[in-house]
Amino acid sequence: DTGVSQNPRHKITKRGQNVTFRCDPISEHNRLYWYRQTLGQGPEFLTYFQNEAQLEKSRLLSDRFSAERPKGSFSTLEIQRTEQGDSAMYLCASSPSGSTDTQYFGPGTRLTVL
Amino acid sequence: QKEVEQDPGPLSVPEGAIVSLNCTYSNSAFQYFMWYRQYSRKGPELLMYTYSSGNKEDGRFTAQVDKSSKYISLFIRDSQPSDSATYLCAMSARTGANNLFFGTGTRLTVIP
Repeated sequence: DTGVSQNPRHKITKRGQNVTFRCDPISEHNRLYWYRQTLGQGPEFLTYFQNEAQLEKSRLLSDRFSAERPKGSFSTLEIQRTEQGDSAMYLCASSPSGSTDTQYFGPGTRLTVL
Repeated sequence: QKEVEQDPGPLSVPEGAIVSLNCTYSNSAFQYFMWYRQYSRKGPELLMYTYSSGNKEDGRFTAQVDKSSKYISLFIRDSQPSDSATYLCAMSARTGANNLFFGTGTRLTVIP
């Protein structure tokens, strides 16, 4: 399967714990995005990488959230001191550079904070 | 006011019906318009991608963009039970935009 992959698919944690998610983009894509989707809503942009550089962060990305893409390939999203309001689907997408690029999404990681 | 508005439905139609899904938007800078299909507990899957105004057809799917009215549509002909999913419109101001702006999604059920 050459699509975007995300791990884990599901994560249940207790409030206050730290969690980390991983995204592996389509191999030739140099752009990587993180979104958050809550029930009944569309995805909301969190952050964007071009290669290893994090170029944009949404105001939704509080200081408890940090994302990295150390070698310009896979990316991790960490949430520290989780809160119940962090419960959501975390989606990763990737796109190639070029004039007709579009974003291709992974299956998401569903986080439940108890 | 949200930048992208989409009727959340739910919408139920009999198999074979023509389905019309719509979004309106407020940002006149949007030029790139997409429709994604999302099955339950899965990531969004890109269906259609259009630039500026006009129509684009792909099999049973037709996307329409009317920039003057800030209105986009997705038509599904001969709908099938396998089309049952949530349909999300998305848009951006430029190619390679860092983020897409999504509607809330319309949940569609096609009844056999």
